[in-house]
Amino acid sequence: SSELTQDPAVSVALGQTVRITCQGDSLRSYYASWYQQKPGQAPVLVIYGKNNRPSGIPDRFSGSSSGNTASLTITGAQAEDEADYYCNSRDSSGNPLFGGGTKLTVL
Amino acid sequence: QVTLRESGPALVKPTQTLTLTCTFSGFSLSTSGMCVSWIRQPPGKALEWLALIDWDDDKYYSTSLKTRLTISKDTSKNQVVLTMTNMDPVDTATYYCARTPLDSSGYYYYHDYWGQGTLVTVSS
Repeated sequence: SSELTQDPAVSVALGQTVRITCQGDSLRSYYASWYQQKPGQAPVLVIYGKNNRPSGIPDRFSGSSSGNTASLTITGAQAEDEADYYCNSRDSSGNPLFGGGTKLTVL
Repeated sequence: QVTLRESGPALVKPTQTLTLTCTFSGFSLSTSGMCVSWIRQPPGKALEWLALIDWDDDKYYSTSLKTRLTISKDTSKNQVVLTMTNMDPVDTATYYCARTPLDSSGYYYYHDYWGQGTLVTVSS
């Protein structure tokens, strides 16, 4: 199918590790990229490719993939990591496709 | 320094055509592997990819919206234009343009720089 499925909401205690997942058939063929979006702001790229971080993104953010699932892991979550997170990959036509987003709450 | 800025009307009427312009700097859309996308986000909802134009002037559209969308570029002006016909209130959203490189392997896109977005409201 040409869908990317994310859990609507995830929570994590301050300083703990959280994994945000994205599922879809296209992930068997294409890498995902991950975006952080805070209220009222444009999305920010945090992970792309196999596990690449743009300049300025803390190394507590990492990406991985297995089968039809891509994951974004935040190791030692901080209060400023509270945001919406979106995965992006390619659909069956090869065009970009976003997941439905995950709202991360840091407790 | 890469920057993108969206411009266009804040309010359009139902059935009208929306024209948005993305003006960018800090990169060239003539560079192999370079692309620009349009992406939208209705209030409180998820991101939705709309269209992409690449360095070779190839154009790609969302399957669900392709009959309504046209993307074009003016490389000399560093601009990408998106038109969307037959606007409806459900098209009310913040519209973003983003730089979208295609990885050198040709295997994946990513959107590494975004404009601040422009809110378009469709209402009579």
